[in-house]
Amino acid sequence: TQLLEQSPQFLSIQEGENLTVYCNSSSVFSSLQWYRQEPGEGPVLLVTVVTGGEVKKLKRLTFQFGDARKDSSLHITAAQPGDTGLYLCAGYLYNQGGKLIFGQGTELSVKP
Amino acid sequence: DVKVTQSSRYLVKRTGEKVFLECVQDMDHENMFWYRQDPGLGLRLIYFSYDVKMKEKGDIPEGYSVSREKKERFSLILESASTNQTSMYLCASSLDRSGNTIYFGEGSWLTVV
Repeated sequence: TQLLEQSPQFLSIQEGENLTVYCNSSSVFSSLQWYRQEPGEGPVLLVTVVTGGEVKKLKRLTFQFGDARKDSSLHITAAQPGDTGLYLCAGYLYNQGGKLIFGQGTELSVKP
Repeated sequence: DVKVTQSSRYLVKRTGEKVFLECVQDMDHENMFWYRQDPGLGLRLIYFSYDVKMKEKGDIPEGYSVSREKKERFSLILESASTNQTSMYLCASSLDRSGNTIYFGEGSWLTVV
């Protein structure tokens, strides 16, 4: 079983602070995706990173894919209460029939 | 917009009952997936399918089976439900196996008593 370790599992911060969430694995992924999930809903895709070393920005969110395509990070600048939610990373394994495996998730709470 | 529809949002079943969770997608996607989501464990892959009548075991297939008779429909079956199968079940689909976006349904909360 491939493992994708996500940390931290819980994060509670004040509005305006910065934060980083990490995903690490010993597996090499074809691509890596980040999702955000609201309570009672399914996960919704934020971004896909494909190339080793790739950096993508989505407003205040910065996503990075490691050079070896085994790890990724999500950095949020000046967090807002609207960023509160569950963040999930998922690694795509093309050579295993198109399998997507998920990290454990990071529960983020941003307090006003 | 892609729509992945799970027929039941909330179910309560008794131990030993047979349970069917239905999922339909409307975008002619080849790949479909069933995950379960538990606190602290993230999403774990139960089964996936990349074509009609094809199925592949995920990481935790024990106690489950699946059926894909039509391209748009992927069913998850619990032959004899047990309390440790109480969970949130998520169905998803993607266009093909090239790493495209995966679209999720809203989830089915199953409680086995």
